[in-house]
Amino acid sequence: EVELVESGGALVQPGGSLRVSCAASGFTFSSYWMSWVRQAPGKGLEWVANIKEDGSEQYYVDSVKGRFTISKDNVQKTLYLQMNSLRVEDTAVYYCARPVASRSYDYWGQGTLVTVSS
Amino acid sequence: DTQMTQSPSSLSASVGDRVTITCRASQGIGSWLAWYQQKPGKAPKLLIHGVFNLQSGVSSRFSGSGSGTDFTLTISSLQPEDFATYFCQQAGSLPFTFGGGTKVEIK
Repeated sequence: EVELVESGGALVQPGGSLRVSCAASGFTFSSYWMSWVRQAPGKGLEWVANIKEDGSEQYYVDSVKGRFTISKDNVQKTLYLQMNSLRVEDTAVYYCARPVASRSYDYWGQGTLVTVSS
Repeated sequence: DTQMTQSPSSLSASVGDRVTITCRASQGIGSWLAWYQQKPGKAPKLLIHGVFNLQSGVSSRFSGSGSGTDFTLTISSLQPEDFATYFCQQAGSLPFTFGGGTKVEIK
């Protein structure tokens, strides 16, 4: 059974850093692109970043470029999102999600809450 | 960026009603259109991908249609478990973008 489990969410001050993780199981992690999608409280969904199967390519939404880094460890079957220079507007539940051939997301984690506040 | 305009933002309906939600893309996205259902405190659930392809395990009362820039999600006979928020998503070009959501409430 496919499972994605996020961790690492926390309360962080503006300008701070945080790394969130997503542990994958039940599928061949090294064969899949992976993504982070976030949702601010009471708001809609926002795609954040994609990473290629082998980690060789990454893509980001403009609002996080230069501040966030997506990476994946295919041995540990874990996806990461390193977030630096955090802003209040980065406050959201961060989901890891598995995109499939149709570029839609067939599996999602339960989400981890990142709160940026002083 | 491709903007996704979803309507209505909310609707009230009764069990058994036929419900239609639309999404309009600001530019052509081919067939790269998906629909999700989200319940409070839960992750989104994939319903439809590639405009009209029903995700495995999803009830056949959900259907998708459309082409180019205009797309529709239809629930043929609303059931109690269908009261939720629905989002469309385009994947025709980066950044992938979502519609603003449609909250389906009990009438």
